[in-house]
Amino acid sequence: DAKTTQPPSMDCAEGRAANLPCNHSTISGNEYVYWYRQIHSQGPQYIIHGLKNNETNEMASLIITEDRKSSTLILPHATLRDTAVYYCIVRRSNNDMRFGAGTRLTVKP
Amino acid sequence: DAGVIQSPRHEVTEMGQEVTLRCKPISGHDYLFWYRQTMMRGLELLIYFNNNVPIDDSGMPEDRFSAKMPNASFSTLKIQPSEPRDSAVYFCASRTDTFYGYTFGSGTRLTVV
Repeated sequence: DAKTTQPPSMDCAEGRAANLPCNHSTISGNEYVYWYRQIHSQGPQYIIHGLKNNETNEMASLIITEDRKSSTLILPHATLRDTAVYYCIVRRSNNDMRFGAGTRLTVKP
Repeated sequence: DAGVIQSPRHEVTEMGQEVTLRCKPISGHDYLFWYRQTMMRGLELLIYFNNNVPIDDSGMPEDRFSAKMPNASFSTLKIQPSEPRDSAVYFCASRTDTFYGYTFGSGTRLTVV
């Protein structure tokens, strides 16, 4: 599976959009981009995933660049409860999920 | 749907004792995963099962660790004998064969003294 690079930490003001970047320049054609988050002391929570097209669900939007070498997770209106570690993972559909260090997002009042 | 259920939530044991962690996956999920999380090493995949069969156990740290899945609704992770360096939060996760997002349990916080 392709390696991902994320900033170790980010801050965001409450009510503003949080844009979390992920670089996956070695991604191959059949690899998906997944995003999870882990709120303190809880198990990781699935957020969204995509292959080529942008995706949106009730939690977030996923924007994947045309060359698929990077992506951005967007939380449109961040709240204090969105403070968590966010993991970007690239994997083939039938492979297991391996987590990196992620980005620690802190939403501030 | 009760989600993935892990027990116990907390376990404190003495070095050398046997520890058994338990997991009940979501009904209908074909895959089950065991992860370990520490501050130093982050989230590590230990082993995963497909239809109750172990597929990849390359993440199991050593022979002291063993995992079983006797049926589709139950799995155990056993450490015998336990050591202080096994102290961590152990997570179980499951997924279906067609949707590749995982559902994680709340974890078991293990402390070996």
